[in-house]
Amino acid sequence: NAGVTQTPKFQVLKTGQSMTLQCAQDMNHEYMSWYRQDPGMGLRLIHYSVGAGITDQGEVPNGYNVSRSTTEDFPLRLLSAAPSQTSVYFCASSIEPVGEQYFGPGTRLTVT
Amino acid sequence: AQSVAQPEDQVNVAEGNPLTVKCTYSVSGNPYLFWYVQYPNRGLQFLLKYITGDNLVKGSYGFEAEFNKSQTSFHLKKPSALVSDSALYFCAVNDYKLSFGAGTTVTVRA
Repeated sequence: NAGVTQTPKFQVLKTGQSMTLQCAQDMNHEYMSWYRQDPGMGLRLIHYSVGAGITDQGEVPNGYNVSRSTTEDFPLRLLSAAPSQTSVYFCASSIEPVGEQYFGPGTRLTVT
Repeated sequence: AQSVAQPEDQVNVAEGNPLTVKCTYSVSGNPYLFWYVQYPNRGLQFLLKYITGDNLVKGSYGFEAEFNKSQTSFHLKKPSALVSDSALYFCAVNDYKLSFGAGTTVTVRA
């Protein structure tokens, strides 16, 4: 099993550009989520999904969009990048919402 | 609303000494508590969890955590720290959504 994979590993965007961070898991997990990690703030939940076709907002959803058309994939879209979105982004999956989460290796995004 | 607090930004210990990383929580119902570790430039790895039952939970790499309901604490412990335990440690509470503490950087000196 590859576990949770994320692409790209690094990305630099200019303010106003849009892009999609990819996340995929091969463990048949229903629950998937996106976090951003900023120094001194831990990880903050952006969006999550409890299954294909079902998504909901987390703690910091503004400026981000998600969809879940398959169990395996959970892409995160930045609609119009801002410098405040410079961060490290992690995708995670788990069998159930309150279960142990498996994290991807992260995407380091810089917005200039 | 659920939350966790990690009162120490950094913990420094000598190799072979006991290691404790502190965490306190606030939830409205029964807590689902977790510890994760992050090594440099890596994603987070699960260490252990408390759902219910025995207050002492054993996890990966020789770590354990003690759940204390009266003190609303879930401290992570290791009896004898290794240099390789140097990492960033996160406490988290899961009430359908996972909420993380700010993290504690552990440095174990040889």
